[in-house]
Amino acid sequence: DGGITQSPKYLFRKEGQNVTLSCEQNLNHDAMYWYRQDPGQGLRLIYYSQIVNDFQKGDIAEGYSVSREKKESFPLTVTSAQKNPTAFYLCASGRTGLGEASYEQYFGPGTRLTVT
Amino acid sequence: GENVEQHPSTLSVQEGDSAVIKCTYSDSASNYFPWYKQELGKGPQLIIDIRSNVGEKKDQRIAVTLNKTAKHFSLHITETQPEDSAVYFCAASTIKGAQKLVFGQGTRLTINP
Repeated sequence: DGGITQSPKYLFRKEGQNVTLSCEQNLNHDAMYWYRQDPGQGLRLIYYSQIVNDFQKGDIAEGYSVSREKKESFPLTVTSAQKNPTAFYLCASGRTGLGEASYEQYFGPGTRLTVT
Repeated sequence: GENVEQHPSTLSVQEGDSAVIKCTYSDSASNYFPWYKQELGKGPQLIIDIRSNVGEKKDQRIAVTLNKTAKHFSLHITETQPEDSAVYFCAASTIKGAQKLVFGQGTRLTINP
């Protein structure tokens, strides 16, 4: 059963604590992405990775960190430096390179993080 | 950078009628335009996309049109059904190695029975 999994579905943390969100894919995609979604708004890109051991900042990378040690995994750490961490976090993956399907991104089910 | 504006923010139509959602983009270099459907508490699902080398694409009750000159694209849903109720997002991407999607703000579509 191929797809993208994110865990946990709901996550609660106290202010000042770092928290790591999991994202795993078995679609053999090279590229992986993290987006943040706030109520009533569109998705904003946090970080993305096109290949193992390499990643780039998106539009709102401040207060976040990522790693890409395996093709299948792209965990996101929300640090205490992120001023407004409460949000719905979505992971996506896709192919890179040429071809009809190379543009498509597929999303996981998301993790709702609440920081109090 | 790219900016995508989406209208309307909410849309309510009678079952069986058509729904149209419109988006405009700012970067003339953008050449990929997907549409996503997001149900409550779930991740977005890709429903249709269009590349800049075509002006229209259709998949059953869903169609997307693209006007590169005016820099806008639209989603058309015909014969709407209750299960079409969801939030729809448009996005634009400039293909330069990575598909960095820039999303519109979303449209909450409600189909009234």
